[in-house]
Amino acid sequence: GENVEQHPSTLSVQEGDSAVIKCTYSDSASNYFPWYKQELGKRPQLIIDIRSNVGEKKDQRIAVTLNKTAKHFSLHITETQPEDSAVYFCAASVGNEKLTFGTGTRLTIIP
Amino acid sequence: KAGVTQTPRYLIKTRGQQVTLSCSPISGHRSVSWYQQTPGQGLQFLFEYFSETQRNKGNFPGRFSGRQFSNSRSEMNVSTLELGDSALYLCASSLVTSGSTGELFFGEGSRLTVL
Repeated sequence: GENVEQHPSTLSVQEGDSAVIKCTYSDSASNYFPWYKQELGKRPQLIIDIRSNVGEKKDQRIAVTLNKTAKHFSLHITETQPEDSAVYFCAASVGNEKLTFGTGTRLTIIP
Repeated sequence: KAGVTQTPRYLIKTRGQQVTLSCSPISGHRSVSWYQQTPGQGLQFLFEYFSETQRNKGNFPGRFSGRQFSNSRSEMNVSTLELGDSALYLCASSLVTSGSTGELFFGEGSRLTVL
């Protein structure tokens, strides 16, 4: 089955700097790659997703890039703010099969 | 529109007991998935139900089971509880078509502690 690896497990950046989280997946047939943000004590929420027919997608300060050949995708957050502090999860799936999540990255924004 | 509702929010059980968790999805969502969340392990997929049928299943032992009712509400059951079953159990509903995965809307979770 699908295996998703996520790095780093923790990341601290100065406010205003950029943060990058990377994930690799094992199933070359995977075609859907969402990112979820989970603030402390709250439920995970989708922040951005990308499908395999697109190489990059942006939404204001966040962007996701996908490299199908290398089977990896990344989340980029620019101009980080304190409210970006959270745990971020990447995930991958094939068609309507189960969504497999990475183990998460705890992002801390240092004021 | 009401979000995903999970009950109970917190519960404490002892080893060997069983537990049933409930999830009411967003109105109109026919897909309900269950995840186990533990520190360091992220979100581990348990199973997914779509129109009362189990569509996908994760790698959990048979002690973990679930079902979905005609109104899309879902329950999961864990029998013969073990200490390692202590976790946050998250339910998520989705408005999916037959051929693709859509956004998951998570509930606040049921935190199970096994003593």
